[in-house]
Amino acid sequence: DTAVSQTPKYLVTQMGNDKSIKCEQNLGHDTMYWYKQDSKKFLKIMFSYNNKELIINETVPNRFSPKSPDKAHLNLHINSLELGDSAVYFCASSPRDRGRDYTFGSGTRLTVV
Amino acid sequence: AQSVTQLGSHVSVSEGALVLLRCNYSSSVPPYLFWYVQYPNQGLQLLLKYTSAATLVKGINGFEAEFKKSETSFHLTKPSAHMSDAAEYFCADNRGSTLGRLYFGRGTQLTVWP
Repeated sequence: DTAVSQTPKYLVTQMGNDKSIKCEQNLGHDTMYWYKQDSKKFLKIMFSYNNKELIINETVPNRFSPKSPDKAHLNLHINSLELGDSAVYFCASSPRDRGRDYTFGSGTRLTVV
Repeated sequence: AQSVTQLGSHVSVSEGALVLLRCNYSSSVPPYLFWYVQYPNQGLQLLLKYTSAATLVKGINGFEAEFKKSETSFHLTKPSAHMSDAAEYFCADNRGSTLGRLYFGRGTQLTVWP
């Protein structure tokens, strides 16, 4: 009964490859997010979707493309992977209210070699 | 501009000692503040949050935080540290935004010595 689940947990791939990370939430939340945690553990938002609509698109290379087929799913596709893309990527979800509780997935550790 | 500043990237305490992790915010609108804990190789778990109700907020695992507008602070405390408290702690603010993004501090690594 995991609330926010991400797959895969670990992803090791070569430069230039294309990969996807999947995220699903069963909390009935309207909003989903992708955050990136760098090697210094700094967390920064990448994208946010509300009811399948993109509402936040930070300054992220267009090699990163989120897709939300329905409000319970938010996937992240990355083209032409680079060494600098190595990080931990967290999916999160929240209801749409100002005092929202954010629930995070357990993260996907991406290593580009 | 950094919305949330965590003073001290590393804090070490002895087991049983007081834990104090510092967080200051800078948003000009009423903040909604959160403390998260991250154990090694895990996701972020919510410890507590402030959403303009009571200024003293109690969370899980014996942690609490006090919102002080005059000091623009939201420090996290626990009276007596346990070994199991060793983790990375993040303070965050969503600035009351309906868009919902969280602005995170850079984290504080808490080490607990036996």
